[in-house]
Amino acid sequence: GQQVMQIPQYQHVQEGEDFTTYCNSSTTLSNIQWYKQRPGGHPVFLIQLVKSGEVKKQKRLTFQFGEAKKNSSLHITATQTTDVGTYFCVTNDYKLSFGAGTTVTVRA
Amino acid sequence: GAVVSQHPSRVICKSGTSVKIECRSLDFQATTMFWYRQFPKQSLMLMATSNEGSKATYEQGVEKDKFLINHASLTLSTLTVTSAHPEDSSFYICSARDRVQTNTEAFFGQGTRLTVV
Repeated sequence: GQQVMQIPQYQHVQEGEDFTTYCNSSTTLSNIQWYKQRPGGHPVFLIQLVKSGEVKKQKRLTFQFGEAKKNSSLHITATQTTDVGTYFCVTNDYKLSFGAGTTVTVRA
Repeated sequence: GAVVSQHPSRVICKSGTSVKIECRSLDFQATTMFWYRQFPKQSLMLMATSNEGSKATYEQGVEKDKFLINHASLTLSTLTVTSAHPEDSSFYICSARDRVQTNTEAFFGQGTRLTVV
C-alpha cells in the first residue's frame, strides 16, 4: 500500500493551545482519511478528504488536503483534555494503510 | 455508525496453543474485512485482507500458515493464531467496510489483546 509519513510522532500540548499534525506522501493520493484512537481503544473514523485543496471542519478540528494531493494536515484549536489520543492519517487505496500516528497528550 | 463486534477482547493462552478471534459486522454486510496488529506505542500494521468466500491476501512478512483467516460469510471473519508464542502477544484489530460503499470509512472492532505466556 501507499506509504505516508506522519509528524510529529508525539505532541504534548497545553490545554487551550492549538497544534497541527502533518501527513506527507511521495505519491499522489486518491483520498485520505483521518482516524482517532483513544488510549486502550480502537480507531474511530473522523473524516475523508478527496478533492485537491479540500478543507473540512469539525468543530475545533480543521482538516486539509494539499493541492497536489500529496499531503494533509489536521489542526486542532483550543485543545481540550478530550482531544487526548493518537491521530492517524490513513491512505485508502482499497486497503487502509496507517501512518505512524501523532500521540497527543494534554497538560491542564 | 455501523457496528463491528470483535471477540474476545482479551485472551491469555499458553505457548504452543491456538487462539481464534472473531470479527462480526452486526448491521451491514462486509465483503472485505481487514486484520491488523498493533504493538505498544506503534501504529496499526495490516496483516491481511479477508474476502468473503475466497482466500485471504496476506501482507509481506505475515505467515499465512500461522495466522489463519477464514471469511465464511458476509458478516463473519475469523483469525486463528496457531502455535502461539510470546512474540505473538499483541493487540489484534479487525475492520470492515460496507459492501456497497467501498470508498468510505471503515469500522473497527474493539480489538483483542492477546498475551501468550
